[in-house]
Order: sequence, then structure tokens, then C-alpha cells
Amino acid sequence: DIQMTQSPSSLSPSVGDRVTITCRASQDISNSLAWYQQIPGKAPKLLLFAASRLESGVPSRFSGSGSGTDYTLTISSLQPEDFATYYCQQYYSTPYTFGQGTKLEIK
Amino acid sequence: EVQLVESGGDLVQPGGSLRLSCAASGFTFSSHEMNWVRQAPGKGLEWVSYIGATGTTIYYADSVRGRFTISRDNAQNSLYLQMNRLRAEDTAVYYCARDSSYGYFDSGTYYNVNAFDMWGQGTMVTVAS
Repeated sequence: DIQMTQSPSSLSPSVGDRVTITCRASQDISNSLAWYQQIPGKAPKLLLFAASRLESGVPSRFSGSGSGTDYTLTISSLQPEDFATYYCQQYYSTPYTFGQGTKLEIK
Repeated sequence: EVQLVESGGDLVQPGGSLRLSCAASGFTFSSHEMNWVRQAPGKGLEWVSYIGATGTTIYYADSVRGRFTISRDNAQNSLYLQMNRLRAEDTAVYYCARDSSYGYFDSGTYYNVNAFDMWGQGTMVTVAS
């Protein structure tokens, strides 16, 4: 199974900050990586797929990069509605696996 | 409206059974692969099972293989998860999630995208005596 290691597990940024979350796979996943946002009590929402492709309707302040085993989600200027938990997921092979999540908490 | 609506979650005793349903609407259900994903209280996301568009290809997480069965009825636009021999550690919110079933070419190579682009609201399964 491919293990996904996300860091950090939590962050306390301020509105307007640039935020970076990293995700490392235990093997090369060839950009088969998605990022999701989950607000408490709600279902996850797809933000990006193929490591860097923005899902339709997602604000452009979200971006993704990386290759091989190392990937990054960046929020260029944090907005109040962005305080949530973020998960990476590899879909390179089953079992599909998620990172443990990164919780953004209001400072 | 394009949506997925789960149902069937309940309180069940260890060793018991439950069948979850997911009703799809607003899109061509039969064209999409589908998944079940669960989230234990206060925990992260765990993929449970996948089914191909025709129902021929099926995968399970090791934690549920042999106890859970995924199926679909394309005529009824519905996805199911039959859960048997339930354990306390199966307690979670269960989401059905649509596979994007999208592909793209990059530098001459075709890539299949199996990201989950639509989720239901979830249904709670509690396994306790």
C-alpha cells in the first residue's frame, strides 16, 4: 500500500497569509494526487487533481505542485472561508490512500 | 440538481449487518465509477471500496474485504454497500463519492484521473452494544 504523509498536522495562520501544506508518498505516484478541503460537519470537496489541475469553480488562490513522491498545496492569500482541514489523496493505485489531514485554525 | 444522497446508516450491534444506499441524480450515473469512503469520529478519511461503471471491476480496503460488498444498479441510479460482521471500528460516517472518470493527455501520454469530484452528505453508522 502507498502511504501518504502530510505535514504539518495543524497550522494557525492569519487571514491574508500564504499557506503551504506538503504531502509525501511512500513511492512515486506520477502526479496521481488530489487535494480536498473539508469544513467540519460537511463532506470533503475536491480542490485539485493531477497534482496541479484546479477543479472547476475552485478559487485561483489554491494551487498545487510537485512530482514523484513530493507534493505541495499552496493557498496564496488565506481567506476566512479557507479555515478547514485539508487532505491529500493518491489515486495511483488501490487501495487509494489519504494523508492524515492538515487543520487550519484561526489564529 | 446534481447530487448524491446516502441513506441506511443506523446503530447496530457488533456482528450485525447493515445495507447503505446512495441515490444519484442530475448526471449520467452509469458513466461513472463510484466509491465508498468513511470517516471515524474525529479522524481522517479512509477509502473503503470502488466499483467500475458497469459493476465488473471491484476493489476493497483490506479492513473490510470479506465483510463488505459493494454493488450498483445503473437502472435505478443507485450505489450500495452491504456491511456484514460489523465491528466497533467500523463506526464512521460513510460517504459515497463519484469518481471523476476523467482523463487527459500530457506529453503524449494518457492519464486517468480517479479523484472524487462529488460527495454525498454522508450517513452515520454506529456499531455498539
